[in-house]
Order: sequence, then C-alpha cells, then structure tokens
Amino acid sequence: AQSVTQLGSHVSVSEGALVLLRCNYSSSVPPYLFWYVQYPNQGLQLLLKYTTGATLVKGINGFEAEFKKSETSFHLTKPSAHMSDAAEYFCAVSGFSGYQKVTFGIGTKLQVIP
Amino acid sequence: EAQVTQNPRYLITVTGKKLTVTCSQNMNHEYMSWYRQDPGLGLRQIYYSMNVEVTDKGDVPEGYKVSRKEKRNFPLILESPSPNQTSLYFCASSLSAGPYEQYFGPGTRLTVT
Repeated sequence: AQSVTQLGSHVSVSEGALVLLRCNYSSSVPPYLFWYVQYPNQGLQLLLKYTTGATLVKGINGFEAEFKKSETSFHLTKPSAHMSDAAEYFCAVSGFSGYQKVTFGIGTKLQVIP
Repeated sequence: EAQVTQNPRYLITVTGKKLTVTCSQNMNHEYMSWYRQDPGLGLRQIYYSMNVEVTDKGDVPEGYKVSRKEKRNFPLILESPSPNQTSLYFCASSLSAGPYEQYFGPGTRLTVT
C-alpha cells in the first residue's frame, strides 16, 4: 500500500527564514506527488505537483519541491518565509491500485514568526 | 467560475438520523472523491468515483455510502450516523485519476451527538 509521512506536525520559522517541510512516501509504482495548502477555514488548493520529467518542481507563491527517488522524498521549500505562508500543508501521493486512490499525509502547520 | 460546492457547510445531527451531504462540480470532471479531515490524521479518502456509476472504496468507507448518477454530482450518505463520524468533510474533483490536480470544496463540518 502507498503511504505518506510528514515529519513535524508543527513547524515554526521566522519571517524571511528558509521554509522546509518534509515528505517521504512509499509506493509500489512510480508515484504522482502533490503538495496542497489549506488556509484557515478553507478547502485545499494545489501548490505544486510532480508527475514525470524534471525532478525540481516550482509551484505558486515561491514554493518548490524536489522529487528524490533514491530517498523516496518530496520535500517542500521556500527560500524566504512570509507571514502569508502561515497555513497547513499536506503532501499527497497517488500511485497504487491504478492511481485511483490518493493518500494524504497528516499535514504540517506552518507558523511564521514576525 | 470553476468550483466545487458542498451543502450544507455546517450540520449538527443526532445519532442514527440519516443525512446526505451534497457535492457538485461544474468542470465536467470525471474523478470525484470524498475525504474526512481529523486532527492528527490528515485527510483520509472515504470513497471515490472514476465516472458515472463507477464508485469504489477509499481507506475509510465504513458507515458511508455514495452514488454517482450524474457526472456533476457525488453525494455522501450517512445512513445511521454515529459520534465517531463527527469530522470535517471535503469533496474534491479532478479531470481524471492520477497526475491531475484535485479541486476541493469548502468543506462540511458535521457534528453527531
């Protein structure tokens, strides 16, 4: 079965500091990988995704993630945190059972300290 | 405007009283899915649908039913709700399964007493 592990349910960074949110996955087939963001009292929206091709993926709001097959990781980074980045971030994978199922991680709440 | 709508947004009910949460999308998407979000557990997939009349179980289907009679609608049915189904529910849709972005509804907060 596929699974997603997000290390750190809460992460705090200072405004202007590097943001690093970790995601490791397991999948028996080449995965499709996603990062979604959830602002308070809202649904989720896509930040970025990896399907095939270039392993460094750029998303919205200055975020990027790198697919590392050897490490089964898809960590999310942003060079400089902004107050508006405070939200919950979810890593997700599809790649099992013909890609119909989607598995999410438990989420990481990002706090940005002024 | 492309969107996924859910109704109701908030619902308080009692154990055993059947309820339906509606979900509708206007993007002609084939794939639709229901998730529940619980603190410390993230989002867990309840059911998904690949197309009209094609549905299958996700990871936590017990106590839920779905139907897909029209492409745009994917209602979630709780025939006999229990307190452990108190949760935040999200409907989502995408063009198809696999590498496609899912579009999420605003969520339905359900409380079962």
